Amino acid sequence: DQQVKQNSPSLSVQEGRISILNCDYTNSMFDYFLWYKKYPAEGPTFLISISSIKDKNEDGRFTVFLNKSAKHLSLHIVPSQPGDSAVYFCAASNTDKLIFGTGTRLQVFP
Amino acid sequence: GAGVSQSPRYKVAKRGQDVALRCDPISGHVSLFWYQQALGQGPEFLTYFQNEAQLDKSGLPSDRFFAERPEGSVSTLKIQRTQQEDSAVYLCASSLTEVSYEQYFGPGTRLTVT
Repeated sequence: DQQVKQNSPSLSVQEGRISILNCDYTNSMFDYFLWYKKYPAEGPTFLISISSIKDKNEDGRFTVFLNKSAKHLSLHIVPSQPGDSAVYFCAASNTDKLIFGTGTRLQVFP
Repeated sequence: GAGVSQSPRYKVAKRGQDVALRCDPISGHVSLFWYQQALGQGPEFLTYFQNEAQLDKSGLPSDRFFAERPEGSVSTLKIQRTQQEDSAVYLCASSLTEVSYEQYFGPGTRLTVT
């Protein structure tokens, strides 16, 4: 039973445009959400997070939106750059562990 | 180094062999986590330490898996009598405090059991 779902395995976006990555969760007890970025042969790198008491958090080109009623969060990257090409994981937590989605591979082309 | 390091980076084991995977967390980080990542999946939680205490081992798939962090710093994940289904990338992460959700990951150890 997957508690955190990323239904799009891949996304392709032109450089300069907006990338929107989506994530759905089932457990209403989750109180903190994070996005990680992963390059091949490297571990995941923390990108941005949001507490369940907020609905938006912004850091430079990255913005995370949380819709608790829909149990949905999204990561917006604008403008997208070729260096953003990676696998993005959504993760959620309510205790000590992080529960990850299966990831979305983002490809930003020129 | 400044980040989490893991060794070896790659390990090939024959079915039935024992393996030991090492994690050096960021200096001063209180919490340490082990995750298993199968191909095409996200990382899945195995176990968690706060200093030297193993507070949660609910994700360990069987009693063949054992983790320790005896001095509250370096950790070792041991897998006994490896099976083919153990083939995966094993990721270690650390975080600064007991309540920090932001975990910093090492590069992982890719284990292949033949």
